[in-house]
Amino acid sequence: QSVLTQPPSVSGAPGQRVTISCTGSSSNIGAGFDVHWYQQLPGTAPKLLIYDNNNRPSGVPDRFSGSKSGPSASLAITGLQAEDEADYYCQSYDSSLSGSGVFGTGTKVTVL
Amino acid sequence: QVQLQESGPGLVKPSETLSLTCTVSGASISNYDWSWIRQPPGKGLECIGYISYSGGTNYNPSLESRVTISVDTSRNQFSLKLRSVTAADTAVYYCARRVGSRSNWFDPWGQGTLVTVSS
Repeated sequence: QSVLTQPPSVSGAPGQRVTISCTGSSSNIGAGFDVHWYQQLPGTAPKLLIYDNNNRPSGVPDRFSGSKSGPSASLAITGLQAEDEADYYCQSYDSSLSGSGVFGTGTKVTVL
Repeated sequence: QVQLQESGPGLVKPSETLSLTCTVSGASISNYDWSWIRQPPGKGLECIGYISYSGGTNYNPSLESRVTISVDTSRNQFSLKLRSVTAADTAVYYCARRVGSRSNWFDPWGQGTLVTVSS
């Protein structure tokens, strides 16, 4: 059950900036729980992209950045590249569900 | 670095039990929390549950009545059992390390294994 809502798709030309929103509620993001982002390339497992709202693991390009405000979070990709074409998922914790975590509905990024 | 590898049958009959194992290398399983996550074909991600470093478990309420996650420290493995499966349980099943404190994230992930429920 996805309690975090993302746009189904976003697209952009190479070099452009795109953003993906992740909208939650008062029991998850709005309650102050941190948001994490994953990139899933076609046919592969998800890979951690951003943790704790705006932190990049080692090896993730600084073209990727995250932010959080109120009950929503966003992932921005600047200088869009062909290799960024993938599915992106946000993830957080919801106090009304179990502690195992909740994911967003997912967003397909297409590079035009 | 830490690596995870799922293993188990790729085909399970309806009403039977799905059993998967995740083998961890590069880290002691006793030092972290470990999770199972699944993804039905063409759909999004769903947390199944996790087992903590101390052996405690926490499951998705929608699956709690059918799920058991356990750990074998001697083999550095943890396992998933999902009982009474139906076609709706067909998915790619991933194991992952659960990291963080107040709002945990998952890193790294195994490559995933497709389990099909069909007679």
